[in-house]
Amino acid sequence: GENVGLHLPTLSVQEGDNSIINCAYSNSASDYFIWYKQESGKGPQFIIDIRSNMDKRQGQRVTVLLNKTVKHLSLQIAATQPGDSAVYFCAELNRFDKLVFGAGTILRVKS
Amino acid sequence: ETGVTQTPRHLVMGMTNKKSLKCEQHLGHNAMYWYKQSAKKPLELMFVYNFKEQTENNSVPSRFSPECPNSSHLFLHLHTLQPEDSALYLCASSQAPGTGGNGNEQFFGPGTRLTVL
Repeated sequence: GENVGLHLPTLSVQEGDNSIINCAYSNSASDYFIWYKQESGKGPQFIIDIRSNMDKRQGQRVTVLLNKTVKHLSLQIAATQPGDSAVYFCAELNRFDKLVFGAGTILRVKS
Repeated sequence: ETGVTQTPRHLVMGMTNKKSLKCEQHLGHNAMYWYKQSAKKPLELMFVYNFKEQTENNSVPSRFSPECPNSSHLFLHLHTLQPEDSALYLCASSQAPGTGGNGNEQFFGPGTRLTVL
């Protein structure tokens, strides 16, 4: 895939289990964060976002947690399915209103 | 379907060629972006256009030349590229930077896989 050269962290989970993907961000002033999913051969797709005045936000099967104290963001996927296999990126909105993307995490779902 | 289309999906070119990548968004957005995604680096922002005006050039070499004739179309003109320019080039659009929150959610196209020989 596109990111093999980066030696991305890989999370392997069994189908049906819950997945937790972590991300550390750099700027304590960032006030908006997004998680993207990128499947092979496709562009990144929006999953869920969260503003800094929130600690938690839930979507359909996904939950994003924000810990501003340690500048940590996580994405939880409930009942992981084979279709969830992809590279997941977190992004933070910097003070110039530009999204800065992390390197990504590969999620592999085993059937 | 994200509403952002890119053509071509794959492109192979020599270092002396001139080619163009095209992006079109059908979402009524006012901002458009070019990103480079390579095997060696995270997603890199190249250019930002806001209401057809270029507002960001992230130290991109002049062999990449963007053009935004209107809010729905974005081009990336390529000339005398190098093999290290081989990458996936992604276009994205959003409502408008600076509006905060959802206005910054970017919708991506499928990308153009560029190979420079």
